[in-house]
Amino acid sequence: SAVISQKPSRDICQRGTSLTIQCQVDSQVTMMFWYRQQPGQSLTLIATANQGSEATYESGFVIDKFPISRPNLTFSTLTVSNMSPEDSSIYLCSATAGTGDNEQFFGPGTRLTVL
Amino acid sequence: AQKVTQAQTEISVVEKEDVTLDCVYETRDTTYYLFWYKQPPSGELVFLIRRNSFDEQNEISGRYSWNFQKSTSSFNFTITASQVVDSAVYFCALSEANTGNQFYFGTGTSLTVIP
Repeated sequence: SAVISQKPSRDICQRGTSLTIQCQVDSQVTMMFWYRQQPGQSLTLIATANQGSEATYESGFVIDKFPISRPNLTFSTLTVSNMSPEDSSIYLCSATAGTGDNEQFFGPGTRLTVL
Repeated sequence: AQKVTQAQTEISVVEKEDVTLDCVYETRDTTYYLFWYKQPPSGELVFLIRRNSFDEQNEISGRYSWNFQKSTSSFNFTITASQVVDSAVYFCALSEANTGNQFYFGTGTSLTVIP
């Protein structure tokens, strides 16, 4: 299994600013993902963070708004840029170990409130 | 089309009652994985179970049991003798082998256990 930590756990930000969320895994993993969970909603995949190359974004999400880095096999960041109140959500990082069983481990989430 | 459907948005039961949470999935893959996660009010996703498409054996873990029926594309979750601590949102998810471990989440079922 993999243990995932995220920083910050929560934040309150002003409109128009940007926040970078860090995701750290305690072991090397093959794939890392970023999800958004808006209040009272399910999880929506933002992008797959690829090690050494640009992230792969899902429909409705763009790099300018959600730039992602993955410099190595254990770490990734998601930036929420030029924030608006609609960006208030929980942002979750997840990872798979690539063992073939598709088990996906989730971080504790970052609860973001934009005023 | 929705790949994972959780038709029950909210369920309330009285403590000690049994409750079944429904999950219906849709896939053309022959190799896929099904998951259940629990999200308590604190927000973290707690992994409950993973099932692969080749294993239709039902599983029991304490008060939890899962019924996987490929014929009806369902993966239902039953809590026996419910407790107040079971109150949470429960998500069913599907991962297909040919989509690089991407998860498709259902919309979740909010369970309230009344003491």
